[in-house]
Amino acid sequence: DIQMTQSPSTLSASVGDRVTITCRASQSISRWLAWYQQKPGKAPKLLIHKASSLESGVPSRFSGTGSGTEFTLTISSLQPDDFATYYCQQYDSYWTFGQGTKVEMK
Amino acid sequence: EVQLVQSGGDLVQRGGSLRLSCAASGFTFSSHAMSWVRQAPGKGLEWVSTISGTSSGDTYYADSVRGRFTISRDNSRSTLFLQMTSLRAEDTAVYYCVKLTLGTYKNYFDYWGQGTLVTVSS
Repeated sequence: DIQMTQSPSTLSASVGDRVTITCRASQSISRWLAWYQQKPGKAPKLLIHKASSLESGVPSRFSGTGSGTEFTLTISSLQPDDFATYYCQQYDSYWTFGQGTKVEMK
Repeated sequence: EVQLVQSGGDLVQRGGSLRLSCAASGFTFSSHAMSWVRQAPGKGLEWVSTISGTSSGDTYYADSVRGRFTISRDNSRSTLFLQMTSLRAEDTAVYYCVKLTLGTYKNYFDYWGQGTLVTVSS
């Protein structure tokens, strides 16, 4: 089974900050990686697929990079609506999520 | 507009059974694989099961539920099901119905239902 590890688990930041979340796969998954945003009490929302393809309607301040085993999600200038928990997910072999990264207000 | 409307969550005793439903609309249901993903209280997301959209109805399960849960679909009613048996306390979670972008191969989750809470009491 492919394991996904995100870091950090919690990130404290301020509006306007550049934020980077890392996701590592236990084996190569090429670029078969998605990122989701989840707010409390809500269903997750798809942000990025295939490591760097931004979903329609997602602000351009979100970007994704990486391939193989190491990936990053970057928010170029954190906005009030971005405080949430972010999950990476591999879909190379079945589906596995990272444990999540909570972005909280500093 | 894609909509996934879930029902069936409830409080059930350990060892009991429950059936979740998910009514889909806004897309060609039979063309898409569908999944269930769960989230225990205060925890992360866990993939539970997936079923293909083809007539073969290939199914896939996480080790934690294999042999106890059964995923199925009724393409004529655009509805997805999850039959859960031998429920355990650790099955307590919000269960999400999820649409895949197409088939089961190298496809990801693009739309999620509103979630339904399953609570297993011990």
